Amino acid sequence: QVLLVESEGGVVQPGGSLRLSCAASRFTFSNYAMHWIRQAPGKGLEWVAFIRYDGNDKYYGDSVKGRFTISRDNSKNTLYLQMNSLRPEDTAVYYCAKDPSSGPLMDVWGKGTTVTVSS
Amino acid sequence: DIVMTQTPLSLSVTPGQPASISCKSSESPLHSDGKTYLYWYLQKAGQSPQFLIYEVSNRFSGVPDRFSGSGSGTDFTLKISRVEAEDVGVYYCMQTIQLPWTFGQGTKVEIK
Repeated sequence: QVLLVESEGGVVQPGGSLRLSCAASRFTFSNYAMHWIRQAPGKGLEWVAFIRYDGNDKYYGDSVKGRFTISRDNSKNTLYLQMNSLRPEDTAVYYCAKDPSSGPLMDVWGKGTTVTVSS
Repeated sequence: DIVMTQTPLSLSVTPGQPASISCKSSESPLHSDGKTYLYWYLQKAGQSPQFLIYEVSNRFSGVPDRFSGSGSGTDFTLKISRVEAEDVGVYYCMQTIQLPWTFGQGTKVEIK
């Protein structure tokens, strides 16, 4: 059964940076595209970023473009999200999710990690 | 951006009764490849979202057959034929025909 485990989030000051990781197991990570999705407290889902299986195509949501960078290390079965110039409105639970390659869509999600941007 | 509008925003259902959720997209998610890039998810309280329906009407592996999806153009519907207690949560539709990929605002389903 596919397993996705996000790294611990944390509290960051506005303007600060944080890197999230997502460890993938029980499937051939290098064959699948991946996503990051977030959910602000009490709000709905917002797609954040996508990366193709080989890392050669990346797409971002408008609210994070230019500040966040998605990447992956297929040798380590790990997905990353580098978040820079963080704002209070980036406060959310961040989920990584696998794309089954018939999408784009997300078929399996991690449990999520909480990022709080506050002074 | 494509706006996904769900109605109602909340729904209280008696166990065993049907439920229906509407999702309207501001543009059609039908692609020239013939696929309609419209999906449904359920997020139970305190959990991450789980995948229910792909391409309008196809149930993901393990999803009970009481869940069904339908629709075309810009109007789509998720139906639960007989609601069970385990179906409680927030349902989201999503489109991936056009970047940025967008979700509806969610419909909260609870049991009466």
